[in-house]
Amino acid sequence: QSVLTQPPSVSGAPGQRVTISCTGSSSNIGAGYDVHWYQQLPGTAPKLLIYTYNNRPSGVPDRFSGSKSGTSASLAIAGLQAEDEADYYCQSYDSSLSGWVFGGGTKLTVL
Amino acid sequence: QVQLQQSGPGLVKPSQTLSLTCVISGDSVSTNSVAWNWIRQSPSRGLEWLGRTYYRSKWYNEYAVSVKSRITINPDTSKNQFSLQLNSVTPEDTAVYYCVRAKDGYCLNWGQGTLVTVSS
Repeated sequence: QSVLTQPPSVSGAPGQRVTISCTGSSSNIGAGYDVHWYQQLPGTAPKLLIYTYNNRPSGVPDRFSGSKSGTSASLAIAGLQAEDEADYYCQSYDSSLSGWVFGGGTKLTVL
Repeated sequence: QVQLQQSGPGLVKPSQTLSLTCVISGDSVSTNSVAWNWIRQSPSRGLEWLGRTYYRSKWYNEYAVSVKSRITINPDTSKNQFSLQLNSVTPEDTAVYYCVRAKDGYCLNWGQGTLVTVSS
């Protein structure tokens, strides 16, 4: 059971907008620790998608955005494309565990 | 461009020690602003951070509570690499292991991953 909770799957048609939630607690997201998001394509290592709530590394399209409220964070993907089909993970720091924690991952299917 | 190249055995017997090495190119293991991590991924446990080593005028190590009694991460400045040792492994330690370069708490660069199977 992951410390950060994500929906196992989401789906959307090309061009649509989807959001992926990441729910934590008062010892991680709720304590103000940064949230980061990763995209993992099949058979590859995760790739940084969004860091510190809503910053994108060079090369990541602005269709991807992050937000945070209270003990939760969200990743939004606008204008869905077939190449967005992947697993998405959130990550933060947990003060009770004194280390990084990850969400269980969300599989995005583009219909 | 930073690249991380992992090496190590893909099969370890139960109760033995898992050892992996990560060679760094494009950066130095002694760089003050980054940390060098090991993360594993398995279907049962998902992504799990194991620990890190980093240099801030001296060397520091931090380990996940779940493996703290069994893990050692060491930097090797002469070879610009860092290593993972996980003792007393069980089948639950079967996973893909990644070495990761991180800055400000997020993972910037990942190694290619090594599938380690714990089996007799």
